[in-house]
Amino acid sequence: AQSVTQPDIHITVSEGASLELRCNYSYGATPYLFWYVQSPGQGLQLLLKYFSGDTLVQGIKGFEAEFKRSQSSFNLRKPSVHWSDAAEYFCAVGAKAAGNKLTFGGGTRVLVKP
Amino acid sequence: KAGVTQTPRYLIKTRGQQVTLSCSPISGHRSVSWYQQTPGQGLQFLFEYFSETQRNKGNFPGRFSGRQFSNSRSEMNVSTLELGDSALYLCASSLNTAQETQYFGPGTRLLVL
Repeated sequence: AQSVTQPDIHITVSEGASLELRCNYSYGATPYLFWYVQSPGQGLQLLLKYFSGDTLVQGIKGFEAEFKRSQSSFNLRKPSVHWSDAAEYFCAVGAKAAGNKLTFGGGTRVLVKP
Repeated sequence: KAGVTQTPRYLIKTRGQQVTLSCSPISGHRSVSWYQQTPGQGLQFLFEYFSETQRNKGNFPGRFSGRQFSNSRSEMNVSTLELGDSALYLCASSLNTAQETQYFGPGTRLLVL
């Protein structure tokens, strides 16, 4: 069975500072990996996804993530955070055999200090 | 292109009642998935429909059911509501396979009293 762990429930970062959100997954085969963002009262928006190929993935809003098979990780990074990045971030894992079923981590809430 | 729409956005029901939620996918999308989001359990997959057939199912009791119509619109039904069914219900649509982006709607917030 697939599982996803996001070790940090809350992260506070100053505006302009860098951000890294951790994600560890458990899955036997090569997973499909996703990062979504959810603003208050909103649905989920896809930031980026990884299926295969280059392990460094670029997404929207200046985010990137790196797939590390040896560490079963898919951490999300942004070099310089903007106040509008305050939101909840979810890592998710899927698989070809699972159709469109996604297994989500518990989420990391990001607060941005001015 | 219009995004995924969900109706109603907010709903209050009492225990024992049933509820039907609706999801209209992006035009041309044939896959619709449903998720339940609660503070305690997080985001959990309910089921996925593709071309009017349930293609995948999560670990929820039979009180949770769904269907998809020929125009790809989907409904989910929860019968005999329990307090624990209070949640944000999200639907997501995509073209077909897991490699295609799933677009989420704003959700329906259900409160069971």
